[in-house]
This record gives sequence, C-alpha cells and structure tokens, in this order.
Amino acid sequence: IAGITQAPTSQILAAGRRMTLRCTQDMRHNAMYWYRQDLGLGLRLIHYSNTAGTTGKGEVPDGYSVSRANTDDFPLTLASAVPSQTSVYFCASSDPDSGELFFGEGSRLTVL
Amino acid sequence: GNSVTQMEGPVTLSEEAFLTINCTYTATGYPSLFWYVQYPGEGLQLLLKATKADDKGSNKGFEATYRKETTSFHLEKGSVQVSDSAVYFCAPNERGSTLGRLYFGRGTQLTVWP
Repeated sequence: IAGITQAPTSQILAAGRRMTLRCTQDMRHNAMYWYRQDLGLGLRLIHYSNTAGTTGKGEVPDGYSVSRANTDDFPLTLASAVPSQTSVYFCASSDPDSGELFFGEGSRLTVL
Repeated sequence: GNSVTQMEGPVTLSEEAFLTINCTYTATGYPSLFWYVQYPGEGLQLLLKATKADDKGSNKGFEATYRKETTSFHLEKGSVQVSDSAVYFCAPNERGSTLGRLYFGRGTQLTVWP
C-alpha cells in the first residue's frame, strides 16, 4: 500500500510562476490536509478538505488554493509563487476512527 | 481554540540517557493524543497514541500517558539510542469533530550522541 504520494519531491522555481503540488492517497480517507513546515515554526495547516467537493482554510491559506474533485487527489496550487513560500510541504490524510494522520514524504519547494 | 505547548529544543543527550519531552494541550473536546516522529529527510510518522484518560501509548521503548487532569501527554524513554535522533511532535486531535484535524506543537529536535 503506497499511502500518500506527493510530487514533485523537490522543485526550484522563479518568483511569479505558477506551481501545483500533487497529492494522491489510496486509503479512501475522506479528510486530507496540506501543511507547510518551516524551521522554528513547526507544522502549519494551509488548507484542508473533509470530503470530496469541500475545502477549507487553515492557519496560513494566503497565496494557496486547493481543490478536491475526488477522494484520492488533493492538489495544492501556488498561483504566483513568492520567496516566502519556500518551504517543505506535506500532504496528509486522516483515519476517521482513530484520527491518526498519514503523511507523504514531502515536497521541498524553493522560490527564487 | 485548541493549542499545544511542547518543550522547546534542541535536546542533546548521550546514548542510554533518560528522555522526557513535555507536552501540554488545550482542547474544547475530549481529544485523542498523538506523538509523531520525523527522521531526517522524511515525513512524519506516528510514534504512539492514547485515546482516553490514563491510557498509556508505547512504541519502540517510548511511552506517554494521557493525563486528563493536567492536560498533558509527556513523552519518555528510559534509554535513548543514536537512532532516536529526530524531531518529535505532540498533537491532540478532536476525534469525531467535523474537522478532526490535528494541532501540532512546534516540534522538539532530539540529538543523541554515542
């Protein structure tokens, strides 16, 4: 079982460019999340989705958008990247019974 | 709202030393409690969990007890190893809530020297 698959693993892009980070799960979990991890700040929630067709804002949603067309996929889009969006991004889904989160391996994004 | 206060790092220990990482939380409901671990260059993975008061979660020699009266979930290990070097995150989750999402502490970096 793959669990959570993220792509790309790492990416360098110029400021102002559009970028989509992909996330796919094979556990049929309804709830999915995008976090960013920055040194000294821990994990901060960007957006979440409780079920296909619905999304919500987390702690730091500005500059990001998400969509949830189906259960398995939860892409994160940066419409116009800025250097402050340089970070490691983690996608996760949660088991509805235990609340346990399952994480992808992360996508390291550098915006120059 | 919910929040987590986790002992700040970095924590540096010698091999076989005793480890405690403190974690206290606030929650409006009755959460399940989790410790996640992140090894260098990897994503977070579940270390242990407890779902009700006085439960003890344990895994890989680590333990944590759900203390409802003190709203704490401190992580302990009697004898750390070099391979335990990682970042540890405490996270309560309001199981059954419409959001069901975890609130993470800032993480505690642990380095174990041989």
